[in-house]
Amino acid sequence: GENVEQHPSTLSVQEGDSAVIKCTYSDSASNYFPWYKQELGKGPQLIIDIRSNVGEKKDQRIAVTLNKTAKHFSLHITETQPEDSAVYFCAARMGKLIFGQGTELSVKP
Amino acid sequence: EPEVTQTPSHQVTQMGQEVILRCVPISNHLYFYWYRQILGQKVEFLVSFYNNEISEKSEIFDDQFSVERPDGSNFTLKIRSTKLEDSAMYFCASRGPPGEKLFFGSGTQLSVL
Repeated sequence: GENVEQHPSTLSVQEGDSAVIKCTYSDSASNYFPWYKQELGKGPQLIIDIRSNVGEKKDQRIAVTLNKTAKHFSLHITETQPEDSAVYFCAARMGKLIFGQGTELSVKP
Repeated sequence: EPEVTQTPSHQVTQMGQEVILRCVPISNHLYFYWYRQILGQKVEFLVSFYNNEISEKSEIFDDQFSVERPDGSNFTLKIRSTKLEDSAMYFCASRGPPGEKLFFGSGTQLSVL
């Protein structure tokens, strides 16, 4: 069935280091892949997205890569800061958005 | 910046009672969604709504659930007879044509006792 797998479930990095979160999706017809950041008690906030006709997209310290053949996409955060600490969700559009399980990122000062 | 607004932020109810969760989507958006998130778990799709009708729903969205757009601004989720397992954070979301970007509200935390 439709599924998005996300790894790791938790990630702890030192401030200034990079963080990488990876997702795979099951439906090869998926054509849109957003990433959301969720802070405690708040709704998911869109931070970056990529469409299937693009292999990579960057916005300041955040980048997303997409490998359609392998059905993988990844979020890269460089120069991490304590305020990057949150739960990050990947998602893939298979008609509706299907979310991954989430990654709890902790950035230690 | 326009945002999706949800009320109430918290709702406590007794098992078997009806609840209505309310949402005001972004004003020029045409596609509306409800998702839920059980504590510590992933965000799960419930239902999508377009052109005054349900366009897709998940297995979770059974006969106890209904959605309505009673006027030009509100979008509601009703649970007819709540169960303990309905306790979750419920998120409303909306998007507008032709974009893909889905914007979420801050959620309603529903606690069924």
